[in-house]
Amino acid sequence: EPEVTQTPSHQVTQMGQEVILRCVPISNHLYFYWYRQILGQKVEFLVSFYNNEISEKSEIFDDQFSVERPDGSNFTLKIRSTKLEDSAMYFCASSGGDGYTDTQYFGPGTRLTVL
Amino acid sequence: SQQGEEDPQALSIQEGENATMNCSYKTSINNLQWYRQNSGRGLVHLILIRSNEREKHSGRLRVTLDTSKKSSSLLITASRAADTASYFCATVQFNTDKLIFGTGTRLQVFP
Repeated sequence: EPEVTQTPSHQVTQMGQEVILRCVPISNHLYFYWYRQILGQKVEFLVSFYNNEISEKSEIFDDQFSVERPDGSNFTLKIRSTKLEDSAMYFCASSGGDGYTDTQYFGPGTRLTVL
Repeated sequence: SQQGEEDPQALSIQEGENATMNCSYKTSINNLQWYRQNSGRGLVHLILIRSNEREKHSGRLRVTLDTSKKSSSLLITASRAADTASYFCATVQFNTDKLIFGTGTRLQVFP
């Protein structure tokens, strides 16, 4: 069964450094998402992406964050200058149809630790 | 309070028993989804129920939706130790496709 994959599984970085989290969505999916989950807290929406542009973003997704689909398979989340509070599990998701009616399938996550 | 709150926060049962988790939300929704998360792992989609549906089944899972009460329940029948996980409801409102997650119910099934 097709899966969403994410790399790396764990990323440790120093405060102020840039990180890129990578995702390979399910191949025929068109809608892509990033969510994050701070330890012990709810899963929070960050951004949705369709047709090579951001369709919606949350207040969390400020200028330090960016997303890109650099080729036909990868979907990346970049954090330009990491802060301690960016430490969290980051999940990528993809959907075959518009998310209004379709299921979002999640990857296993990347645990980001900012020191 | 927040969109998507589950209760109970934690539930412990014996194998073979049924587990019921509830989710309440505040605003009108397009659909509601249930996900499972094993400790420190990814989110596994369980079931999606649309706002015009009242009940859905999938294997040992039964989900109900009451839009008048803005609530949903997830029933796991004949639970197994492998069902031990956190269970989250997530809602999708109209004119958006972002999932808004609840706080989750931690289910522990003892062998």
